[in-house]
Amino acid sequence: EVQLVESGGGLVQPGRSLKLSCAASGFTFSNYYMAWVRQAPKKGLEWVATISTSGSRTYYPDSVKGRFTISRDNAKSSLYLQMNSLKSEDTATYYCARPGPFDWGQGVMVTVSS
Amino acid sequence: DIQMTQSPSSMSVSLGDTVTITCRASQDVGIYVNWFQQKPGKSPRRMIYRATNLADGVPSRFSGSRSGSDYSLTISSLESEDVADYHCLQYDEYPNTFGAGTKLELK
Repeated sequence: EVQLVESGGGLVQPGRSLKLSCAASGFTFSNYYMAWVRQAPKKGLEWVATISTSGSRTYYPDSVKGRFTISRDNAKSSLYLQMNSLKSEDTATYYCARPGPFDWGQGVMVTVSS
Repeated sequence: DIQMTQSPSSMSVSLGDTVTITCRASQDVGIYVNWFQQKPGKSPRRMIYRATNLADGVPSRFSGSRSGSDYSLTISSLESEDVADYHCLQYDEYPNTFGAGTKLELK
């Protein structure tokens, strides 16, 4: 069974940093692109970042480019999202996702507020 | 970035209705459109992939279609378990982009 388990969320002040983690199991992690998707409260879904199988290629929308960094550790079957210079508009539930078959984690809440 | 214009934003429905939700892509995305269902407090679930293909375990009352740059999700004979939010996604080009979502509500 595929499992994606996010961790690392919480309350953080504007301008500060936070790092999310996603532990993957039930599939060969190194064979798949991975992604982060977020959803602000009562809003739609927003694609945040994608990383290639080796980690050599990453993709971001303009809303987070230069502030967020996606990375992975294939030996640990883990995905990460380093979020810097956080803004109130980054407040959302962040989902780890495996595109393709499209599996999702349960999500982790990030609240950016003073 | 490619825009996915989803309509309607909300819809009041009755059990047994046939419901159609549409996303219009701002540029060609080919067949690379998924549809997701999301219930309150839950992660999204993929319903349709590559515009017209039913995902595993999805009831046959769900279907996807394409006409040019318009992509549609149709639910035939709506059941209570289908009342949810629905989102389209284009994954032809990075950054992948979602539509704004459609909320189905019972009359």
